[in-house]
Amino acid sequence: QKEVEQDPGPLSVPEGAIVSLNCTYSNSAFQYFMWYRQYSRKGPELLMYTYSSGNKEDGRFTAQVDKSSKYISLFIRDSQPSDSATYLCAMSEDNNDMRFGAGTRLTVKP
Amino acid sequence: DSGVTQTPKHLITATGQRVTLRCSPRSGDLSVYWYQQSLDQGLQFLIQYYNGEERAKGNILERFSAQQFPDLHSELNLSSLELGDSALYFCASSVGLLQETQYFGPGTRLLVL
Repeated sequence: QKEVEQDPGPLSVPEGAIVSLNCTYSNSAFQYFMWYRQYSRKGPELLMYTYSSGNKEDGRFTAQVDKSSKYISLFIRDSQPSDSATYLCAMSEDNNDMRFGAGTRLTVKP
Repeated sequence: DSGVTQTPKHLITATGQRVTLRCSPRSGDLSVYWYQQSLDQGLQFLIQYYNGEERAKGNILERFSAQQFPDLHSELNLSSLELGDSALYFCASSVGLLQETQYFGPGTRLLVL
């Protein structure tokens, strides 16, 4: 079993839809949780960062962490074609040695 | 543009060879991180340097080594290359020690034939 599991998709949604991306993990010591967006042929860029459990909102993006279920989510509201990318979850125990999910490829169709 | 630069963009080499990948961090950033991204393994953290000193190690093979120079640029050396080393290699940098504030470079695509 991988330490971080993420459905690779691909996921295709119409413009304006709400997108839900998820990761599960096995290491209960993880306490730093991140979501990265990676466009084709580019490096990942940080979207959201959460420490421990709870929700965090930034514009159209909401990150949720449920440590009791070892489950994190990223919601994208009013999705746009420009949101089409691969989304990577990442997590670490002590903000070093970050572990990444496989990435979910998202396509938002106009 | 993240401000992190990596050279070369593409590299094609043969098995058994040695290559050096170079990274220049964003101005003011003291930490440099190296990652490998392949189709089967995904994105994996290799190693971190902070102000010239090795700070954290991930899944870095013994055939791979890195260093950070006084001007803060970093090099990743890959030796005795194998077909399975073909991947995208990313460098990232951050001001301090915290990975969550890192900015990624555009990557070096390595193909081992």
